[in-house]
Amino acid sequence: EIVLTQSPGTLSLSPGERATLSCKASQSVTSTYLGWYQQRPGQAPRLLIYGASIRATGIPDRFSGSGSGTDFTLTISRLEPEDFAVYYCQQYGTFGQGTKLEVK
Amino acid sequence: DVHLAQSGAELKKPGESLKISCEASGYDFTSSWIAWVRQMPGRGLEWMGIIYPGDSDARYSPSFQGQVTISADKSISTAFLQWTSLKASDTAMYYCARRMRRAAAGSFYYYMDVWGKGTTVTVAS
Repeated sequence: EIVLTQSPGTLSLSPGERATLSCKASQSVTSTYLGWYQQRPGQAPRLLIYGASIRATGIPDRFSGSGSGTDFTLTISRLEPEDFAVYYCQQYGTFGQGTKLEVK
Repeated sequence: DVHLAQSGAELKKPGESLKISCEASGYDFTSSWIAWVRQMPGRGLEWMGIIYPGDSDARYSPSFQGQVTISADKSISTAFLQWTSLKASDTAMYYCARRMRRAAAGSFYYYMDVWGKGTTVTVAS
């Protein structure tokens, strides 16, 4: 069973800064199965990125995904107030434990 | 507009049974898988299982196999998650989501693009 480990657990940044979130798989995964989701407090998760690097419909271009094999990254180029949330990576039937992005 | 409408919050006692629902609209319900995801209070997302409404083929995460039953009724475009005997540890938010499979450039992409708002299940004596 593949395990996805996200780091850091919590990331404290200010609006306008760049955020880099990591997702490491315990074994090589198919990148077309790798997605990133955002969950704001009290809301359902929302798809941001699929296929490791393809933005979902309506997702701003400040969000980008990259990576292959066992190492994947979600980058938010310039943080907006609404971006402070929890982010999960997912591969098929497995989720990472999440990274909480909080205001510094 | 593609939409998943989940049933309302439930308050149950340990040992009771429960069936929650997820009604799909705006697309062909029989052509995409529906996944169920658990989120315990203050915790992360956990994949429970998935069903293909076209033929009711259901698959479960090992952690949830035997603990819940996932089903679907394509005549009413609705998927279900069912317990026969609830425990306090089943207290959580439960989400359904459409799991898409898209073919492009010789590869298959899998992702959950539409989510329900969630059903809160509270089990307490």
